[in-house]
Amino acid sequence: AQSVTQLGSHVSVSEGALVLLRCNYSSSVPPYLFWYVQYPNQGLQLLLKYTTGATLVKGINGFEAEFKKSETSFHLTKPSAHMSDAAEYFCAVSGGGGKLIFGQGTELSVKP
Amino acid sequence: DTEVTQTPKHLVMGMTNKKSLKCEQHMGHRAMYWYKQKAKKPPELMFVYSYEKLSINESVPSRFSPECPNSSLLNLHLHALQPEDSALYLCASSQAGQETQYFGPGTRLLVL
Repeated sequence: AQSVTQLGSHVSVSEGALVLLRCNYSSSVPPYLFWYVQYPNQGLQLLLKYTTGATLVKGINGFEAEFKKSETSFHLTKPSAHMSDAAEYFCAVSGGGGKLIFGQGTELSVKP
Repeated sequence: DTEVTQTPKHLVMGMTNKKSLKCEQHMGHRAMYWYKQKAKKPPELMFVYSYEKLSINESVPSRFSPECPNSSLLNLHLHALQPEDSALYLCASSQAGQETQYFGPGTRLLVL
Protein backbone atom coordinates (compact mmCIF):
# COMPACT_ATOMS: atom_id res chain seq x y z
CA ALA A 1 0.00 0.00 0.00
CA GLN A 2 1.10 3.54 -0.70
CA SER A 3 1.58 6.19 1.95
CA VAL A 4 3.08 9.64 2.34
CA THR A 5 4.74 11.28 5.32
CA GLN A 6 5.38 15.00 5.42
CA LEU A 7 7.90 15.92 8.07
CA GLY A 8 6.84 19.04 9.93
CA SER A 9 3.27 20.23 10.03
CA HIS A 10 4.51 23.81 10.13
CA VAL A 11 7.61 25.40 8.62
CA SER A 12 8.57 29.03 9.08
CA VAL A 13 11.21 30.82 6.98
CA SER A 14 12.30 34.40 6.46
CA GLU A 15 11.66 36.14 3.18
CA GLY A 16 14.56 35.40 0.84
CA ALA A 17 15.58 32.24 2.69
CA LEU A 18 15.64 28.71 1.30
CA VAL A 19 12.37 26.79 1.47
CA LEU A 20 12.63 23.05 2.14
CA LEU A 21 9.50 20.97 2.66
CA ARG A 22 10.10 17.28 3.28
CA CYS A 23 8.13 14.38 1.86
CA ASN A 24 8.82 10.66 2.17
CA TYR A 25 6.71 8.05 0.49
CA SER A 26 6.09 4.34 0.55
CA SER A 27 5.02 2.56 -2.60
CA SER A 28 5.06 -1.03 -3.78
CA VAL A 29 5.26 0.08 -7.40
CA PRO A 30 7.22 2.84 -9.17
CA PRO A 31 5.50 5.93 -7.82
CA TYR A 32 4.04 8.96 -9.43
CA LEU A 33 4.60 11.86 -7.02
CA PHE A 34 2.97 15.26 -6.75
CA TRP A 35 3.18 18.50 -4.83
CA TYR A 36 0.08 20.65 -4.52
CA VAL A 37 -0.28 24.08 -2.92
CA GLN A 38 -3.42 25.40 -1.28
CA TYR A 39 -3.84 29.08 -0.51
CA PRO A 40 -6.41 30.09 2.12
CA ASN A 41 -9.99 29.45 1.03
CA GLN A 42 -8.93 28.05 -2.33
CA GLY A 43 -8.63 24.69 -4.04
CA LEU A 44 -5.43 22.74 -4.63
CA GLN A 45 -3.07 23.89 -7.36
CA LEU A 46 -0.60 21.48 -8.93
CA LEU A 47 2.96 22.73 -8.32
CA LEU A 48 4.86 19.90 -9.97
CA LYS A 49 4.87 16.17 -10.58
CA TYR A 50 7.25 13.29 -11.11
CA THR A 51 6.18 10.39 -13.30
CA THR A 52 9.22 9.01 -15.09
CA GLY A 53 12.49 10.31 -16.50
CA ALA A 54 14.47 13.19 -15.03
CA THR A 55 14.51 13.02 -11.25
CA LEU A 56 14.81 16.78 -10.76
CA VAL A 57 11.44 18.27 -11.54
CA LYS A 58 10.80 21.97 -11.97
CA GLY A 59 7.42 23.43 -11.24
CA ILE A 60 5.62 26.72 -11.11
CA ASN A 61 6.55 29.73 -8.99
CA GLY A 62 10.23 28.73 -8.81
CA PHE A 63 9.69 25.46 -6.94
CA GLU A 64 11.46 22.24 -7.71
CA ALA A 65 11.64 18.75 -6.25
CA GLU A 66 14.01 15.84 -6.57
CA PHE A 67 12.93 12.22 -6.66
CA LYS A 68 15.38 10.07 -4.70
CA LYS A 69 14.45 6.43 -4.95
CA SER A 70 17.13 5.26 -2.51
CA GLU A 71 15.81 7.61 0.14
CA THR A 72 12.11 7.26 -0.87
CA SER A 73 11.95 11.03 -0.76
CA PHE A 74 10.50 13.83 -2.87
CA HIS A 75 11.43 17.04 -1.05
CA LEU A 76 10.22 20.40 -2.33
CA THR A 77 12.61 23.35 -2.48
CA LYS A 78 12.70 26.98 -3.51
CA PRO A 79 15.91 29.00 -3.32
CA SER A 80 14.34 32.23 -2.09
CA ALA A 81 11.02 32.46 -0.25
CA HIS A 82 8.53 35.16 -1.07
CA MET A 83 5.69 36.36 1.12
CA SER A 84 3.24 35.04 -1.47
CA ASP A 85 4.54 31.49 -0.89
CA ALA A 86 2.75 31.32 2.46
CA ALA A 87 0.24 28.48 2.06
CA GLU A 88 -0.47 24.83 2.83
CA TYR A 89 1.56 22.32 0.82
CA PHE A 90 0.51 18.73 0.20
CA CYS A 91 2.68 15.91 -1.09
CA ALA A 92 0.83 13.03 -2.77
CA VAL A 93 1.61 9.66 -4.28
CA SER A 94 -0.41 7.76 -6.85
CA GLY A 95 -2.52 5.10 -5.20
CA GLY A 96 -3.65 3.24 -8.29
CA GLY A 97 -7.05 3.44 -9.95
CA GLY A 98 -6.72 7.19 -10.26
CA LYS A 99 -6.47 7.66 -6.49
CA LEU A 100 -4.11 10.10 -4.84
CA ILE A 101 -2.73 9.40 -1.37
CA PHE A 102 -2.03 12.70 0.39
CA GLY A 103 0.34 13.54 3.19
CA GLN A 104 -0.98 15.50 6.17
CA GLY A 105 0.24 18.78 4.78
CA THR A 106 2.82 21.36 5.77
CA GLU A 107 1.89 24.95 6.50
CA LEU A 108 4.56 27.34 5.26
CA SER A 109 4.86 30.73 6.93
CA VAL A 110 7.12 33.45 5.51
CA LYS A 111 8.35 36.19 7.83
CA PRO A 112 9.24 39.61 6.46
CA ASP B 1 -6.66 25.46 -19.99
CA THR B 2 -6.59 23.52 -16.73
CA GLU B 3 -9.68 25.05 -15.17
CA VAL B 4 -12.26 23.27 -13.11
CA THR B 5 -15.16 25.43 -11.97
CA GLN B 6 -17.42 24.86 -8.98
CA THR B 7 -20.66 26.49 -7.91
CA PRO B 8 -21.72 27.80 -5.54
CA LYS B 9 -18.64 29.18 -3.81
CA HIS B 10 -20.39 29.18 -0.44
CA LEU B 11 -23.48 27.35 0.78
CA VAL B 12 -25.35 27.44 4.07
CA MET B 13 -28.06 24.85 4.59
CA GLY B 14 -30.22 23.44 7.33
CA MET B 15 -30.32 19.78 8.19
CA THR B 16 -33.65 19.31 6.39
CA ASN B 17 -32.66 21.08 3.19
CA LYS B 18 -31.83 19.59 -0.19
CA LYS B 19 -29.10 21.29 -2.20
CA SER B 20 -26.68 20.45 -5.00
CA LEU B 21 -23.07 21.27 -5.72
CA LYS B 22 -21.98 21.59 -9.32
CA CYS B 23 -18.61 21.00 -10.97
CA GLU B 24 -17.66 21.59 -14.59
CA GLN B 25 -14.55 21.05 -16.70
CA HIS B 26 -13.87 21.51 -20.40
CA MET B 27 -10.48 19.82 -20.64
CA GLY B 28 -11.85 16.63 -22.17
CA HIS B 29 -11.07 14.72 -18.99
CA ARG B 30 -13.03 11.51 -18.54
CA ALA B 31 -12.42 11.03 -14.81
CA MET B 32 -13.95 13.29 -12.18
CA TYR B 33 -13.70 13.26 -8.41
CA TRP B 34 -15.40 14.60 -5.29
CA TYR B 35 -13.34 15.26 -2.17
CA LYS B 36 -14.23 16.50 1.30
CA GLN B 37 -11.68 18.61 3.15
CA LYS B 38 -11.80 19.63 6.79
CA ALA B 39 -9.71 22.52 8.07
CA LYS B 40 -5.97 21.82 8.31
CA LYS B 41 -6.45 18.32 6.85
CA PRO B 42 -5.73 16.76 3.46
CA PRO B 43 -8.62 16.13 1.06
CA GLU B 44 -10.52 12.88 1.58
CA LEU B 45 -11.72 11.09 -1.52
CA MET B 46 -15.49 10.55 -1.68
CA PHE B 47 -16.37 9.46 -5.22
CA VAL B 48 -14.71 8.78 -8.55
CA TYR B 49 -16.44 8.78 -11.91
CA SER B 50 -14.72 7.28 -14.94
CA TYR B 51 -16.39 7.66 -18.33
CA GLU B 52 -19.53 8.91 -16.57
CA LYS B 53 -19.80 5.76 -14.48
CA LEU B 54 -19.29 5.62 -10.72
CA SER B 55 -16.10 3.64 -10.19
CA ILE B 56 -15.25 4.39 -6.57
CA ASN B 57 -17.48 5.16 -3.60
CA GLU B 58 -15.40 5.48 -0.45
CA SER B 59 -18.21 4.32 1.86
CA VAL B 60 -19.81 7.75 1.82
CA PRO B 61 -23.18 8.11 3.66
CA SER B 62 -26.21 8.03 1.40
CA ARG B 63 -27.09 11.60 2.30
CA PHE B 64 -24.45 12.43 -0.34
CA SER B 65 -25.56 11.42 -3.83
CA PRO B 66 -23.25 11.98 -6.82
CA GLU B 67 -24.36 12.34 -10.40
CA CYS B 68 -22.44 12.63 -13.65
CA PRO B 69 -24.88 13.82 -16.34
CA ASN B 70 -22.21 14.06 -19.04
CA SER B 71 -18.45 14.02 -19.46
CA SER B 72 -18.08 17.69 -18.46
CA LEU B 73 -20.41 17.89 -15.47
CA LEU B 74 -20.40 16.43 -12.00
CA ASN B 75 -23.01 17.09 -9.35
CA LEU B 76 -23.20 16.27 -5.67
CA HIS B 77 -26.72 16.18 -4.27
CA LEU B 78 -27.03 16.85 -0.56
CA HIS B 79 -29.94 15.84 1.66
CA ALA B 80 -30.44 15.67 5.42
CA LEU B 81 -26.86 16.63 6.18
CA GLN B 82 -25.39 16.83 9.65
CA PRO B 83 -23.35 19.69 11.14
CA GLU B 84 -20.23 17.51 10.94
CA ASP B 85 -20.62 17.53 7.15
CA SER B 86 -19.57 21.17 7.13
CA ALA B 87 -16.37 21.31 5.11
CA LEU B 88 -14.78 22.42 1.85
CA TYR B 89 -15.98 20.21 -1.00
CA LEU B 90 -13.51 19.93 -3.84
CA CYS B 91 -14.02 18.65 -7.33
CA ALA B 92 -11.15 17.43 -9.49
CA SER B 93 -10.70 15.96 -12.94
CA SER B 94 -8.05 13.99 -14.81
CA GLN B 95 -7.46 12.09 -17.99
CA ALA B 96 -8.91 8.63 -17.48
CA GLY B 97 -6.28 6.34 -16.02
CA GLN B 98 -3.97 9.26 -15.24
CA GLU B 99 -3.16 10.33 -11.72
CA THR B 100 -2.60 14.03 -12.42
CA GLN B 101 -5.68 15.65 -11.01
CA TYR B 102 -6.72 19.26 -11.46
CA PHE B 103 -8.80 20.76 -8.70
CA GLY B 104 -11.54 23.34 -8.64
CA PRO B 105 -11.73 26.17 -6.09
CA GLY B 106 -14.19 24.30 -3.89
CA THR B 107 -17.55 24.95 -2.28
CA ARG B 108 -17.47 25.97 1.37
CA LEU B 109 -20.46 24.24 2.99
CA LEU B 110 -21.91 25.10 6.38
CA VAL B 111 -24.65 22.89 7.81
CA LEU B 112 -26.68 24.45 10.61
